[in-house]
Amino acid sequence: EPEVTQTPSHQVTQMGQEVILRCVPISNHLYFYWYRQILGQKVEFLVSFYNNEISEKSEIFDDQFSVERPDGSNFTLKIRSTKLEDSAMYFCASSVRSRGKSNGYTFGSGTRLTVV
Amino acid sequence: GDSVTQMEGPVTLSEEACLTINCTYTATGYPSLFWYVQYPGEGLQLLLKATKADDKGSNKGFEATYRKETTSFHLEKGSVQVSDSAVYFCALSLNTGNQFYFGTGTSLTVIP
Repeated sequence: EPEVTQTPSHQVTQMGQEVILRCVPISNHLYFYWYRQILGQKVEFLVSFYNNEISEKSEIFDDQFSVERPDGSNFTLKIRSTKLEDSAMYFCASSVRSRGKSNGYTFGSGTRLTVV
Repeated sequence: GDSVTQMEGPVTLSEEACLTINCTYTATGYPSLFWYVQYPGEGLQLLLKATKADDKGSNKGFEATYRKETTSFHLEKGSVQVSDSAVYFCALSLNTGNQFYFGTGTSLTVIP
């Protein structure tokens, strides 16, 4: 069964450093997403991406965050200057089409980011 | 705003016990409702879904019924197995927009 692959599974970074989280969505999917879950809290939507541009983003997704699809297979989330409160599990997801109602997403296994 | 509230865990059950994980939602419009499961070391997997009121989603012995009158989508299984040990997330998606709204997740451990 096709999978969404995320690397690394765990990343530790120092506060103020830039970090890039990587995702390889399912090859025929067109919509890409990032979510995060701070320990003990809800899984929160960050951003959706379609046709090489952001289609929707949440209040969390401020200027410190950016997304990119650099080569047609990878989908990355960059945090420019990490803060302690960015420590969370970050999930990438992809779908064939929009409107989660249709058939749900396929999620990756997540990257646990720890900012120290 | 739109949100999902689910039963806090962790939940520990003996094998073959009955499971209910409560989930209620608040939404404008008519959401679709989902249960996702995360097994240790894996991603979020769609377990079941219901797209309109009174629909029942089912998969792997799990069931949940979309109850508009009580704004609920409780997950149930009559006889749990050790292999059901995982974190379960209730979620909703609206007709507009691309995002899901998740609950906090409920950790289930089934002991032999």
